[in-house]
Amino acid sequence: EVQLVESGGGLVKPGGSLRLSCAASEFTFDRHTMHWVRQAPGKALEWVSSITSTASFIYYADSVKGRFTISRDNAENSLFLQMNSLRADDTAVYYCARAGRELRFSQWYYVGLDVWGQGTTVIVSS
Amino acid sequence: DIVLTQSPVSLPVTPGEPASISCGSSQSLLNYLDWYVQKPGQSPQLLIYLGSNRASGVPDRFSGSGSGTNFTLRINRVEAEDVGVYYCMQTLQTFYTFGQGTKLEIK
Repeated sequence: EVQLVESGGGLVKPGGSLRLSCAASEFTFDRHTMHWVRQAPGKALEWVSSITSTASFIYYADSVKGRFTISRDNAENSLFLQMNSLRADDTAVYYCARAGRELRFSQWYYVGLDVWGQGTTVIVSS
Repeated sequence: DIVLTQSPVSLPVTPGEPASISCGSSQSLLNYLDWYVQKPGQSPQLLIYLGSNRASGVPDRFSGSGSGTNFTLRINRVEAEDVGVYYCMQTLQTFYTFGQGTKLEIK
């Protein structure tokens, strides 16, 4: 079964750090752009960051730029999010998601964020 | 950043009746808009990508339409299992953004 499993969440004090991981299975991980999306309690989804298949391009939301770092290890089928200088408003469930793609007429086409993990909870509180 | 505005915020629907959710964008998206649903206690799941393409396994009672700055998600006949929060998400810019969500509930 195609699957993403996040881990690494927990309780951390303001100013602290956490490293989230996302383990991928049953698909060719190194062919997909990957994303982190978060959801604060009772709030809407918020896109956080993305990384292309070979890490050539990396993007961040303004709210995390300079504090969070996305990375991947294609040999280990894993995605990471290093979170530093954490603030109370970073409290959220963090999901990793796969950007799906399909081959049509010899070209690859985006087909949505088609696989999501179950999420890992980060709580920033003193 | 591109701002997406969904309406309505809350949508009570009688089972078997149709439902419609709108997503307006602060600038043209061409067709770079997806729809997701987050059912209670679950992770988000993809419904529609690039404006009108139904994702694999999504029932054909779900459809997406629109382009530019106005998009619509329609459910032909709502079922109890459709309860959840529906989100649009733009993928035109590399800094994706979501709408604020529309909560569909059964009357």
